[in-house]
Amino acid sequence: SAVISQKPSRDICQRGTSLTIQCQVDSQVTMMFWYRQQPGQSLTLIATANQGSEATYESGFVIDKFPISRPNLTFSTLTVSNMSPEDSSIYLCSVDSLAGGTDTQYFGPGTRLTVL
Amino acid sequence: QKEVEQNSGPLSVPEGAIASLNCTYSDRVSQSFFWYRQYSGKSPELIMSIYSNGDKEDGRFTAQLNKASQYVSLLIRDSQPSDSATYLCAASDTGNQFYFGTGTSLTVIP
Repeated sequence: SAVISQKPSRDICQRGTSLTIQCQVDSQVTMMFWYRQQPGQSLTLIATANQGSEATYESGFVIDKFPISRPNLTFSTLTVSNMSPEDSSIYLCSVDSLAGGTDTQYFGPGTRLTVL
Repeated sequence: QKEVEQNSGPLSVPEGAIASLNCTYSDRVSQSFFWYRQYSGKSPELIMSIYSNGDKEDGRFTAQLNKASQYVSLLIRDSQPSDSATYLCAASDTGNQFYFGTGTSLTVIP
């Protein structure tokens, strides 16, 4: 499976500021995804990061709040803009990899964000 | 109905016992099914995938898929305290979008 890294691993931010999270994969992948996991909750898909075009956002998530870049097949960023305490969460990058003939998602280590 | 549903637990089993985790899914997701393990403060880690009816074994883990009844389960034999984690069931649709359950918390008691 692909090796995925995320930076930063954690951060504490002030209300109203923005944070950019980076996701790096050690091999080229077609699909990259950004998820949010709030405390005690399951995973919520924010968007699919498309290489060479705008990200595809899920219902309830908008580009102005969560701009995403995907400049190449190994890298993506997610920005959390104008943060509020409700944005405190773990943000996870995942990639789609064809493992044993089945499309499978693998996750990065996550970024734990606390907004004060 | 949600695409994937799990009993949130918590589930407690004694060390050495079999832990049984269950998941049901809707008609919308019918391609492949996955079990992830998530330790507290860590990201989900893929344990097993299954897409054919029947059982699939990998070490102490067995995934079972029953498409007629629309359920998938994970059995952990000889449970160890290190198996204590939240287990996420996931399923993909024909567009390869993934849907995750809310997770089942498992505690293995020494």
